[in-house]
Amino acid sequence: QVQLQESGPGLVKPSETLSLTCTVSGGFINNNYWSWIRQSPGKGLEWIGYIHSTGNTDYNPSLKSRVTISVDTSKNQLSLSLTSMTAADTAIYYCARERNWNQVWFDSWGQGILVTVSS
Amino acid sequence: DIQMTQSPSSLSASVADRVTITCRASQSVSDYLNWYQQKPGKAPKVLIYGASSLQTGVPSRFSGSGSGTDFTLTISSLQPEDFATYYCQQTYTTPYTFGQGTRLDIK
Repeated sequence: QVQLQESGPGLVKPSETLSLTCTVSGGFINNNYWSWIRQSPGKGLEWIGYIHSTGNTDYNPSLKSRVTISVDTSKNQLSLSLTSMTAADTAIYYCARERNWNQVWFDSWGQGILVTVSS
Repeated sequence: DIQMTQSPSSLSASVADRVTITCRASQSVSDYLNWYQQKPGKAPKVLIYGASSLQTGVPSRFSGSGSGTDFTLTISSLQPEDFATYYCQQTYTTPYTFGQGTRLDIK
């Protein structure tokens, strides 16, 4: 059973860049799509973007100018970078595996990491 | 973006009740519709994918139906562990979008 674990700072100052890592264990990162999703009281669940193990990415247009998702297959990790953080980016951030077999769904999720934007 | 609207937003029910939650898409998503259950402090967990396919390990009291723009999640006989928040999600096109959630609590 694949397991995902997010890591990174829980507190970020306004205008700074958020950097999060998701470590995948119990399975290989190769040949899969991996997404970042966030959840805040105000906006509910919001898909941030995905990356395939080959490096192909797709981002939510609402965040595209500030987001970069990358993958390190040698470490079985994916990363999220979100620039110019504001209070509106305060949320729980999840990584998830996307299954892509005729249908598309997220079958494994990390536990999530709460990120607060505050000075 | 495709907007997903769930109804009701909240629902009170009793153990053994049959419950139906509805999800409507602002445009057709074919059958690219998933349902998730989320309990407090936990990540969402997939129940149904492809509108009607039961995820491995999910009890058969959960079922999904629909296509195009209108979908339903049915719980045939509520169990105590089913009280949670439920979300629909479309994966027909990016950006993937979620419904606002339906909170199911004990009457």
